[in-house]
Amino acid sequence: QVQLVESGGALVKPGGSLRLSCAASGFSFSDYYMTWIRQAPGKGLEWVSYISSGRDYTDYADSVRGRFTISRDNAKNSLYLQMNSLTAEDTAVYYCATVRSSTWLFFDFWGQGTLVTVSS
Amino acid sequence: EIVMTQSPATLSVSPGERATLSCRASQSVSSYLAWYQHKPGQAPRLLIYGASTRATGIPGRFSGSGSGTEFTLTISTLQSEDFAVYYCQQYNNWPPYTFGQGTKLEIK
Repeated sequence: QVQLVESGGALVKPGGSLRLSCAASGFSFSDYYMTWIRQAPGKGLEWVSYISSGRDYTDYADSVRGRFTISRDNAKNSLYLQMNSLTAEDTAVYYCATVRSSTWLFFDFWGQGTLVTVSS
Repeated sequence: EIVMTQSPATLSVSPGERATLSCRASQSVSSYLAWYQHKPGQAPRLLIYGASTRATGIPGRFSGSGSGTEFTLTISTLQSEDFAVYYCQQYNNWPPYTFGQGTKLEIK
């Protein structure tokens, strides 16, 4: 079955950097667009970024554009999120998820998330 | 950016009863609307897409309806495992792919 396992969450100081990973299994990873979605404490879900199956297209929420970089390694069935210049507003549980298709941008399968805390 | 507004914020319903959750879009999203269920500490689960199509493995007691700006998720006979937070998400006008703020369905 589809499995997505996020890792890399940690406590980091404001201005710091962190790289999240998502290990995928149970499906043909290279065929799917992938996305990162986050949930700040006590808040709802916020879409963060997505990447096409062939890595040729990416997009970001305005709140992270220029600071976060999404990438993937299809040979390793892995998705990544490089996060720089972190602020307290980036504190959240980060989920990776599969995207149904390039035109149907909803999210079929999700991981259980990894917690990022930005605090001094 | 399309704003999705869910109501009520919290809904208290007894097991065995019917629950009706609402989601409103600030402009038309046609039928490009999905619903998710989220339990604490678990991965969110896709319930409905295309406003009314159940995702694979979702029980028939879950149904979605609506189009344009007004949408409803109905759970016909609540089971104990249905108590969770429910989110709607539009994918008609993107990016960003916007979610509602969630409705917490709690046991009455």
